[in-house]
Amino acid sequence: EDQVTQSPEALRLQEGESSSLNCSYTVSGLRGLFWYRQDPGKGPEFLFTLYSAGEEKEKERLKATLTKKESFLHITAPKPEDSATYLCAVQARFGSARQLTFGSGTQLTVLP
Amino acid sequence: EAQVTQNPRYLITVTGKKLTVTCSQNMNHEYMSWYRQDPGLGLRQIYYSMNVEVTDKGDVPEGYKVSRKEKRNFPLILESPSPNQTSLYFCASSLSREASAEAFFGQGTRLTVV
Repeated sequence: EDQVTQSPEALRLQEGESSSLNCSYTVSGLRGLFWYRQDPGKGPEFLFTLYSAGEEKEKERLKATLTKKESFLHITAPKPEDSATYLCAVQARFGSARQLTFGSGTQLTVLP
Repeated sequence: EAQVTQNPRYLITVTGKKLTVTCSQNMNHEYMSWYRQDPGLGLRQIYYSMNVEVTDKGDVPEGYKVSRKEKRNFPLILESPSPNQTSLYFCASSLSREASAEAFFGQGTRLTVV
């Protein structure tokens, strides 16, 4: 069974204080790993897709990396507007047509 | 504007009273799905649809029904809602099931069953 575990559950940072969020996964052959951002009262918003170990993607202050067992979302010099819940999800290469298995998310708060 | 639209946004209902949550997308996407989001459990897939008239169960399908008669619409039906179906529901669509197809999510429907 595919599983995704995110840590920490919650993270509070001062503005400008860089950090990383972790996503550990087990999947029967990884087709893709996804990162989403979710603001309160809204649906998740797509950030990145990673396909293979060693791959990196960047968007503004965010950089996502992937190994064979986990992914990291690095946040460099965060701003208060980066406050949100960040969700990680995986899609298996084999098995059912079910699309994504999500983790529980990391709630990030960036204080001014 | 590309979007997934769910209605209603908020719904309070009583146990056993049938309800439907609508979902519509304007991107001509093939793949659509329904998720529920509960604290500590993350997003769990209820049902998905690969295309018109093609639907299948996700991880937590009990108590739910879906239909896909048109490509753009994918309603979620609760025939006899129970309090354990109180949750935040999201509809999502993507061009296909493939990994390169990012999923677009609706704004969510907060359902309370009393």
